[in-house]
Amino acid sequence: GENVEQHPSTLSVQEGDSAVIKCTYSDSASNYFPWYKQELGKRPQLIIDIRSNVGEKKDQRIAVTLNKTAKHFSLHITETQPEDSAVYFCAASRAGAGNMLTFGGGTRLMVKP
Amino acid sequence: GAGVSQSPSNKVTEKGKDVELRCDPISGHTALYWYRQRLGQGLEFLIYFQGNSAPDKSGLPSDRFSAERTGESVSTLTIQRTQQEDSAVYLCASSRTSAYNEQFFGPGTRLTVL
Repeated sequence: GENVEQHPSTLSVQEGDSAVIKCTYSDSASNYFPWYKQELGKRPQLIIDIRSNVGEKKDQRIAVTLNKTAKHFSLHITETQPEDSAVYFCAASRAGAGNMLTFGGGTRLMVKP
Repeated sequence: GAGVSQSPSNKVTEKGKDVELRCDPISGHTALYWYRQRLGQGLEFLIYFQGNSAPDKSGLPSDRFSAERTGESVSTLTIQRTQQEDSAVYLCASSRTSAYNEQFFGPGTRLTVL
């Protein structure tokens, strides 16, 4: 089955700096890669996703890049703000074959004011 | 509209007892997923329902775990003879279909097995 590794497990940045979180996956058939943000005690919420036919996607301060050959994808947050502090999870799935998500272990991002 | 809801929000039980967790998906969503999140960890897939098709139970950790869904509505996750390692947050998610669609998560049920 699919295995998703996520690094780093914790990341501390100064407000205004950029943050990068990286994930690798093992199943070359995976074709859907969402990123979820989970604030303490709350439900995961989708912040951005990318499909395997696209190499990069941006949404304001957030971007995701995908390298299918190397089987890794990354989340980039620019101009970080204190409200970006949360746990971020990457995931991978085969959409159309159930789309069950395999999650990485999570990255706790702390943005210091 | 209403999001995914789950009940109860918290459940404390004694080892060996059975528990039943409930999920109400977003209306019209044909796909429903159950995940488990242990403290400080990522989410683990448990089971998936798509319409009236047979569920994918490949993520269930043991035969003590089972789930049902009536049509495209409510789902219940049952854990029999609970063990302390079952303590976790159980999250339900639904999506319009099982294709490239966002999964919307419920608030979860925090299960504590004493």
